Amino acid sequence: QSALTQPASVSGSPGQSITISCTGTSSDIGGYNYVSWYQQHPGKAPKLMIFEVVNRPSGVSDRFSGSKSGNTASLTISGLQAEDEADYYCSSYSSSSTRVFGTGTKVTVL
Amino acid sequence: EVQLVESGGGLVQPGGSLRLSCAASEFRFRLFSMSWVRQGPGKGLEWVASIKEDGSEKYYLDSVKGRFTISRDDAENSLYLQMNSLRAEDTAVYYCARDQCRGNSCYYYWGQGALVTVSS
Repeated sequence: QSALTQPASVSGSPGQSITISCTGTSSDIGGYNYVSWYQQHPGKAPKLMIFEVVNRPSGVSDRFSGSKSGNTASLTISGLQAEDEADYYCSSYSSSSTRVFGTGTKVTVL
Repeated sequence: EVQLVESGGGLVQPGGSLRLSCAASEFRFRLFSMSWVRQGPGKGLEWVASIKEDGSEKYYLDSVKGRFTISRDDAENSLYLQMNSLRAEDTAVYYCARDQCRGNSCYYYWGQGALVTVSS
């Protein structure tokens, strides 16, 4: 049950695109198409941004997109906006029906 | 609108016990698996435990196995987390969340969180 590995921070200028990686193992990310991504602003509960690797919940901007290759999942934010500045966490279903979250990435809009 | 409201947090001494509750409303509680997720001060999210919709199966983070027990009361639309033998490292905001997506792999609805502080 080791946490998935994410970069501690990623930054970009308004309008740019950034990508956050999330690396796991064949027991979690690599074994299932059950990766989700969450956005969390300070003092708030997490918000679901991507589920099942590539799907966006209703109401989430199409500037957010997800993908996966092998044991690594990625979240891309296109057309970066000031309101995107937040912490982002990946999560995956894992073996034995457990779940695991990533270490978290702080996104800064320059 | 789906609502999840946690209660029962507070300050407890190391080795002590605490029971968190999560009151669910505006959805058919008995049809959904539920989970607890925590976040230590200045730290990331950490999945703690999940319980299937019929309560038949429960899953735990290794570090809480044998100390924490997740349960549910469908008649009361409530989820619980009994926490025993608490340690300083259990200090966190504990969120109740409704399992969704295939494989119960995502959380769309979250509570506001309950703060648990383990300290002497």
